Amino acid sequence: AQSVTQPDIHITVSEGASLELRCNYSYGATPYLFWYVQSPGQGLQLLLKYFSGDTLVQGIKGFEAEFKRSQSSFNLRKPSVHWSDAAEYFCAVVQNTGGFKTIFGAGTRLFVKA
Amino acid sequence: ETGVTQTPRHLVMGMTNKKSLKCEQHLGHNAMYWYKQSAKKPLELMFVYSLEERVENNSVPSRFSPECPNSSHLFLHLHTLQPEDSALYLCASSQGNGVASTDTQYFGPGTRLTVL
Repeated sequence: AQSVTQPDIHITVSEGASLELRCNYSYGATPYLFWYVQSPGQGLQLLLKYFSGDTLVQGIKGFEAEFKRSQSSFNLRKPSVHWSDAAEYFCAVVQNTGGFKTIFGAGTRLFVKA
Repeated sequence: ETGVTQTPRHLVMGMTNKKSLKCEQHLGHNAMYWYKQSAKKPLELMFVYSLEERVENNSVPSRFSPECPNSSHLFLHLHTLQPEDSALYLCASSQGNGVASTDTQYFGPGTRLTVL
């Protein structure tokens, strides 16, 4: 069965420091990959997505993610974190076999310290 | 502002109550979704509606009953719930027909449900 793993339940970084959130998936074919962010009391907001082409994807709010097929990973990065980035981040995989199934990771909560 | 609204934002109900969650999307989308978000668990897709027809039902207990009267509104009717049903219920919509895996979903803020 397809699965999405976000190994880090929570991460704390200092404001201005770089950030990398990990996401690994298990899926046989080329997946469609998403990163969402959820601020407290809010729904999920799409940060970026990868379908095909350039494996480095740029998103909103200065985030980027890189698809690495050999590692089955789609890690999210930001060079300099702002206090407003504190939120929960979800990686998601959608299978492209004609059926519709979005599988979400359990999420990584990001804390930003001053 | 995501264009997807949910009411109420918070709901506390007893196990014998009947209540309904409402979702409205102002984006002109064709597909709407219900998700359940429990603490420390991945988001679980419950139902998908495309043009008011249900296209996905992921083995959800019958105590949850969805209704989609038109493409802008989605309800989740609740009855005889259990305490383990306490969670954040998220509604989402997408422009496509709900079965295309490339659709971007736009989420509402959720309804925080507590079952006593």
